[in-house]
Amino acid sequence: ELKVEQNPLFLSMQEGKNYTIYCNYSTTSDRLYWYRQDPGKSLESLFVLLSNGAVKQEGRLMASLDTKARLSTLHITAAVHDLSATYFCAVASVTGNQFYFGTGTSLTVIP
Amino acid sequence: NAGVTQTPKFQVLKTGQSMTLQCAQDMNHEYMSWYRQDPGMGLRLIHYSVGAGITDQGEVPNGYNVSRSTTEDFPLRLLSAAPSQTSVYFCASSSWTGAGEAFFGQGTRLTVV
Repeated sequence: ELKVEQNPLFLSMQEGKNYTIYCNYSTTSDRLYWYRQDPGKSLESLFVLLSNGAVKQEGRLMASLDTKARLSTLHITAAVHDLSATYFCAVASVTGNQFYFGTGTSLTVIP
Repeated sequence: NAGVTQTPKFQVLKTGQSMTLQCAQDMNHEYMSWYRQDPGMGLRLIHYSVGAGITDQGEVPNGYNVSRSTTEDFPLRLLSAAPSQTSVYFCASSSWTGAGEAFFGQGTRLTVV
């Protein structure tokens, strides 16, 4: 079974600072997804990473994928309060039938 | 543009009661799945389907039943509710074509007392 480890679980950071969330997975996959969840809400797709070396950026968030290291990162640049949320990475099985989620990173940006 | 529609949003059940959570998607996606979300545990897959008439178990299937008679609908049945099934449930759909990302419903917050 594919295992996905995400760290840190909790992240409190000041506005304007940079930080990186890490997502490691245990077996081969070439599709990785990042989602955002606001309290009491559903999951919203942020990034889709489909190949080794893929890099996607949207505003202050940048995601990358290294399939050889089985590692994805979500980098936050100059954090703002609006980025406060829980972020999940998810890895698709080789067959594509199942998604395996990390435990999530609860991000709080402090003014 | 409805996407994935889940009902109800909230539900309180007594132990031993049964109920069905409804999920419908209008994107013609092949794959549909049900997850439960518990604090500190991320999302865990309960059951999934790769097309009408085909279902399979995920990581935590016990106590739940599913069927998929049409492409659009994928209901989740709780056979005899237990307090351990108190959770937030999400339905998702995805397609093998394109990026393959999962689209989620709004969630059902279920409390079993």
